[in-house]
Amino acid sequence: DSGVTQTPKHLITATGQRVTLRCSPRSGDLSVYWYQQSLDQGLQFLIQYYNGEERAKGNILERFSAQQFPDLHSELNLSSLELGDSALYFCASSVDGQGAFAFFGQGTRLTVV
Amino acid sequence: QKEVEQDPGPLSVPEGAIVSLNCTYSNSAFQYFMWYRQYSRKGPELLMYTYSSGNKEDGRFTAQVDKSSKYISLFIRDSQPSDSATYLCAMSATGGYNKLIFGAGTRLAVHP
Repeated sequence: DSGVTQTPKHLITATGQRVTLRCSPRSGDLSVYWYQQSLDQGLQFLIQYYNGEERAKGNILERFSAQQFPDLHSELNLSSLELGDSALYFCASSVDGQGAFAFFGQGTRLTVV
Repeated sequence: QKEVEQDPGPLSVPEGAIVSLNCTYSNSAFQYFMWYRQYSRKGPELLMYTYSSGNKEDGRFTAQVDKSSKYISLFIRDSQPSDSATYLCAMSATGGYNKLIFGAGTRLAVHP
């Protein structure tokens, strides 16, 4: 167990809908990263937060947004969902913002139908 | 050109073989080099990490970094069927806020 908790584990929703994915980082970790992994694709970096502030952005779609709350948990919001958004979404956390030693949660499997 | 290149395989070896997994990179600012193992769509698990150049050994696993060639390797000795997974290399720079950049992952199958 990495100590990073993601909920829900599975999500099935229809096109056009909006969903929220939740991540609780390891105790003591200030940085949260979100990644997308499509079928047979590598891990694509979406966005990073450090202690509540956005610090780095990857190829995140405008339909996607995220935030990190004062208790350091983070939420990734996906709206106007399309079939192509079906993927595994991973959250990772680390003590600092340097990306190293990041520990991953078990992911949320999103299926858009 | 991708910042991190990794052959996706698949790589199939017999039990007991020595496995060599490799990545190349283009960003000379990378200082942290990690290897993650991912079992069938589970969360990636941090296996090894190295700072800057050099070797690091942990049990059957050895990680090597050659910054002059921008090349990193993971060796698995006495491979076991339980080692069958996808191995992802990952890298990040130091200073400030840095994302972890992943290779595509190499799928490894160790057969009895």
